[in-house]
Amino acid sequence: GAGVSQSPSNKVTEKGKDVELRCDPISGHTALYWYRQRLGQGLEFLIYFQGNSAPDKSGLPSDRFSAERTGESVSTLTIQRTQQEDSAVYLCASSSQGTNTGELFFGEGSRLTVL
Amino acid sequence: DQQVKQNSPSLSVQEGRISILNCDYTNSMFDYFLWYKKYPAEGPTFLISISSIKDKNEDGRFTVFLNKSAKHLSLHIVPSQPGDSAVYFCAARDSGTYKYIFGTGTRLKVLA
Repeated sequence: GAGVSQSPSNKVTEKGKDVELRCDPISGHTALYWYRQRLGQGLEFLIYFQGNSAPDKSGLPSDRFSAERTGESVSTLTIQRTQQEDSAVYLCASSSQGTNTGELFFGEGSRLTVL
Repeated sequence: DQQVKQNSPSLSVQEGRISILNCDYTNSMFDYFLWYKKYPAEGPTFLISISSIKDKNEDGRFTVFLNKSAKHLSLHIVPSQPGDSAVYFCAARDSGTYKYIFGTGTRLKVLA
């Protein structure tokens, strides 16, 4: 597809289980971002990948969170030993460094519910 | 330390009138400022952006104003329509890191 694709769109899991969320950025976009939006809150930065540079992990809330990106394509966000406070919509976005609008393109998000 | 702030959590406007959403920032290294609209259960949708070298950008009913001396950004929607009711986020891109920082959002309600 032409846009940013995320899967699953919805995930319900039990506390303590691990989850993996996947993001397919727009082809050719070198930058990939993960954000999280908890209920009633703003967009919280998690991690940022730019080409082959070391990722900016400064927003990851704990060491239970990790993310990988294969080259300039798919990224996976992994949450280990999920907690109820991890319940949120996890949003992936990508952008082109050569943009003339600065636009960041978002996927539809993965809604995670931890019971 | 919130680098991008939206101090009004909500705003109600009558249909046909102007909606003005505001945003303040602290970092002088931002090169692009953007506005996104978000409906429940959907990803944010890009509305309009402005480069830091400009002070105004217009696209149809949407105009963004940038006041660099005041470090203030605003989005004007005129005329407002009921379909504009959504949460609006302002965002800024750091020119060195290319990291996008978002405000906490303003919920706009346009009353018919």
